[in-house]
Amino acid sequence: EIVLTQSPGTLSLSPGERATLSCRASQSVSSSYLAWYQQKPGQAPRLLIYGASSRATGIPDRFSGSGSGTDFTLTISRLEPEDFAVYYCQQYGSSPQYTFGQGTKLEIK
Amino acid sequence: QVQLQQWGAGLLKPSETLSLTCAVYGGSFSGYYWSWIRQPPGKGLEWIGEINHSGSTNYNPSLKSRVTISVDTSKNQFSLKLSSVTAADTAVYYCARRVVDIVATTRRPSYYFDYWGQGTLVTVSS
Repeated sequence: EIVLTQSPGTLSLSPGERATLSCRASQSVSSSYLAWYQQKPGQAPRLLIYGASSRATGIPDRFSGSGSGTDFTLTISRLEPEDFAVYYCQQYGSSPQYTFGQGTKLEIK
Repeated sequence: QVQLQQWGAGLLKPSETLSLTCAVYGGSFSGYYWSWIRQPPGKGLEWIGEINHSGSTNYNPSLKSRVTISVDTSKNQFSLKLSSVTAADTAVYYCARRVVDIVATTRRPSYYFDYWGQGTLVTVSS
């Protein structure tokens, strides 16, 4: 089973700043199998990015994804107040099976 | 617009069976897999399993012995049963639509969850 490790656990930034969130896989993952989600308190996760770099419908272009192999990154270019939330990466594995990272909490500094 | 609405018992005793149902409104039911995902309080997400319209299932190996996912295509609904629950099964349970899509830049398939139910908190306590 591929394990996804996200870092940092908590990221404290101010609105307008750039956020860089990391997702590292325990073994190589096809970039097409990597997705990112945003979750706010009391809400279901929301799909942001699929295929490592493709934005989901309606997602602002300040969100971007990149990476390959074992290292993937979610970047938010200029933080808006509504972007402070928890972010999860997710990968598809054979069997099939889907696993998530433990999450990065993006909080207002 | 696709909507997933879920319901089920929110309080169980140890050893009982958890039962949840998710109804799908809008969009195609037959063209996707339909998943259950859970989230213990304050923790991350765990995929439980999935089913398609013809009843083909895939389960998380760690839960497979206790999980049954079924489908009712006449109602566009699918259901989760988790037997012999313990306090460790306390979580918010979500239903979700699992998509397989071809990524334009790589021409390879991508698998992700694009629509989610509102979540149901299930508490296991004696």
